[in-house]
Amino acid sequence: AAGVIQSPRHLIKEKRETATLKCYPIPRHDTVYWYQQGPGQDPQFLISFYEKMQSDKGSIPDRFSAQQFSDYHSELNMSSLELGDSALYFCASSRQYPYEQYFGPGTRLTVT
Amino acid sequence: AQSVSQHNHHVILSEAASLELGCNYSYGGTVNLFWYVQYPGQHLQLLLKYFSGDPLVKGIKGFEAEFIKSKFSFNLRKPSVQWSDTAEYFCAVPAEGTGKLIFGQGTTLQVKP
Repeated sequence: AAGVIQSPRHLIKEKRETATLKCYPIPRHDTVYWYQQGPGQDPQFLISFYEKMQSDKGSIPDRFSAQQFSDYHSELNMSSLELGDSALYFCASSRQYPYEQYFGPGTRLTVT
Repeated sequence: AQSVSQHNHHVILSEAASLELGCNYSYGGTVNLFWYVQYPGQHLQLLLKYFSGDPLVKGIKGFEAEFIKSKFSFNLRKPSVQWSDTAEYFCAVPAEGTGKLIFGQGTTLQVKP
């Protein structure tokens, strides 16, 4: 079965640089979620999109922005990167209720 | 606000021992509940889910969970763990209306061979 695809899998950036993470949801899933997971922590919700419209927003810094495109893939844009942005970034997709989410393999971002 | 609490943060078991991980949620309305597993260095995988009906649900890899509405609990169980079950386990509920997952703090399970 098709799964959630994320690219790149690993990304190394320097402070103040910009990064773009991509997510391709499972076919026919209309909702995409982004989560950030620091070392030894539970995933923290960043932002979600339903039918290409932002549906919810969590603790996402103003330096980050995201959107969902007409083909339902989503991109998370991160600017002015800081050392504290180093984390695993997961994308998940689902249909609407009951929100059964499937996660992608994640992008490991390292900011040096 | 909805919240999820996992009681056991670090559990160490020997192979063939039985497992029970506690999970409590705060929301009193219609609840959908999930357990996810994260093997070392990997992404979160859906272990099992509860939406309605039989409160005893079975998931992959021999795991099961029991939903007890009166106790606001959804505990994960496995009769006999294996070394390969070593992983982080997260209980989660979707937020009402948007579905963003609210995770518990996670439980690190270490199974000794």
